[in-house]
Amino acid sequence: ETGVTQSPTHLIKTRGQQVTLRCSSQSGHNTVSWYQQALGQGPQFIFQYYREEENGRGNFPPRFSGLQFPNYSSELNVNALELDDSALYLCASSTRTGTSETQYFGPGTRLLVL
Amino acid sequence: QKEVEQDPGPLSVPEGAIVSLNCTYSNSAFQYFMWYRQYSRKGPELLMYTYSSGNKEDGRFTAQVDKSSKYISLFIRDSQPSDSATYLCAMSGPYNFNKFYFGSGTKLNVKP
Repeated sequence: ETGVTQSPTHLIKTRGQQVTLRCSSQSGHNTVSWYQQALGQGPQFIFQYYREEENGRGNFPPRFSGLQFPNYSSELNVNALELDDSALYLCASSTRTGTSETQYFGPGTRLLVL
Repeated sequence: QKEVEQDPGPLSVPEGAIVSLNCTYSNSAFQYFMWYRQYSRKGPELLMYTYSSGNKEDGRFTAQVDKSSKYISLFIRDSQPSDSATYLCAMSGPYNFNKFYFGSGTKLNVKP
């Protein structure tokens, strides 16, 4: 177990709707990253939050947005859902140091857009 | 061109075989190299973590990084049916240690 939890585990939405996914980081971790993993593909970086500020973004449109809270839990919001948004959404928590580090992934939320 | 290339497989081997999984990459700035195992419908689980070039061994697993060739490998000795999963390589650095670039994953099936 990594100590990173995500909710809900599964979600079904229709095109055009909005969705909020949640992540609880491992204790002591102040950085959270979100990834989208389409079926048969590797995870793609969406964005990262460090101390409640966005700290890097991948090639995703603005309808993907996020929040990080003082307790380092995090949300991913997706507006105007499209069919291609169907994927496994992973959050990963880590610490940010000047040396090597790695991330611990949660189990993911599987989103299906109909 | 993708930053990280990985053969998707599937790779099917008999129990006890040595498995070799590989990734190539294009960004010479990468410094941190990881291998993750992902079971169906689960999150990735860290297997091996290597900084810069060299080898690292952990039990049945050996990770190799050749930065001059931009090539990384994971070897699994005495493979077991429980090793059947998708293996993802990932890399990062040097400016954002936590932004990972993943390969597309290689699906491994170890037959009893």
